[in-house]
Parts: sequence; C-alpha cells; structure tokens
Amino acid sequence: ETGVTQTPRHLVMGMTNKKSLKCEQHLGHNAMYWYKQSAKKPLELMFVYSLEERVENNSVPSRFSPECPNSSHLFLHLHTLQPEDSALYLCASSLQGAGYGYTFGSGTRLTVV
Amino acid sequence: DAKTTQPTSMDCAEGRAANLPCNHSTISGNEYVYWYRQIHSQGPQYIIHGLKNNETNEMASLIITEDRKSSTLILPHATLRDTAVYYCIVRGGTSYDKVIFGPGTSLSVIP
Repeated sequence: ETGVTQTPRHLVMGMTNKKSLKCEQHLGHNAMYWYKQSAKKPLELMFVYSLEERVENNSVPSRFSPECPNSSHLFLHLHTLQPEDSALYLCASSLQGAGYGYTFGSGTRLTVV
Repeated sequence: DAKTTQPTSMDCAEGRAANLPCNHSTISGNEYVYWYRQIHSQGPQYIIHGLKNNETNEMASLIITEDRKSSTLILPHATLRDTAVYYCIVRGGTSYDKVIFGPGTSLSVIP
C-alpha cells in the first residue's frame, strides 16, 4: 500500500452505465490528480485539484466528471463512455510545491464494453 | 509535451549497475528532476529527486550535471525486480503544476 487507495481495482461497464472511481489518501497532501494510461502509452494528465479547487482540466471529454469534496478524497464520475476509454486510471496526491513527489495509487483497470 | 528525453529501452545484467540517462536541456532554475518507475500495470513509484546536488537513497543515486541539462539514475545492483519503465520528469515551483510523463525507458534486467 502506498497510502493512496483506489477503488474499485477493476471495473467493467457498459456504454450506457454510470459509475464512479474513488481515490482516498490520508497522507496530509493538499493536491490530487487523475491520470489515464491507455495500453502501451504514457500517462496522460486529466485533472488537477489543488486545495480542493480544480486548477487544470486537460481538454478531457465531459463524460468524465471529477469531484473533490475534501482534501482526502477524489472521485471520477463516468457516464456514457466509449470503448476507447478503456484504460488504467491512476490517482496521485502530493503536497504543493516542486520539492515534493507524487504518491500514486494502484489504479483502476476500466473496461468499457 | 514532456520536458525530458530518455532512451526507449535498455538492458542490464543482474547484479550490475544500471545507469539510466535523461536529457532535460530546457530545465529552469527552480525545477526539480524526479525519477519514478512503473512495474507492469501498477501505479508509478517514486524513486528519487534532486535540484542541483547529487542525491542518494536506499533505492538509487541521482547524478545531475553541473549545468543541470542532464541527469543519470543509478541502480547500483540491479535485480530482476527492477525490470520496469523508468520515467524522468521535471517539476516546477508553482503552487500547483501539471507533471507530464513521457514514454520513459523500459529497463530489462537480464539474469
């Protein structure tokens, strides 16, 4: 365990379903991130939350909707996804500032059928 | 785009030192160099970071050139469990920042 917990670990959903991914950290970090990693591709930054405020949205389709209710929790709400959205979704957290590294969760393996 | 360039892949014999290079020629004065690794289908794992000085921890050593335009991650005695993709990134000094990962270096440790 890294201190960043993601649930569920695996998710299979249909294109008309609505589901949510959850990320939780109790490391005292004040910034949280969602990354997407498609097969054999680098990590793609999706969203950045700093002090619970969304500060970055990397042109992500609206079918992905993030939520950060407090500094310890981050959600990614999913609806009407496409098969090409199948990927490993990774959550990370950090303290603000360049001198602090990211702690990643183990990811949620999402398959859209 | 990622601010770093790394070789696509490298091999290393088990028990030998693995030296992974990274070029970051456009690095700014307040940007740190970070190294992470990702073992297949797991989340990336932090290894080490540095600003100007060389750094060492229980996992690895980081050698940063004097002009800071390149660095080398050294795994002193590579084991099979070190087989992974290694990412070199730079992280700036704003209150938040968007860390961009490149394709990294796929290191294979060979028995």
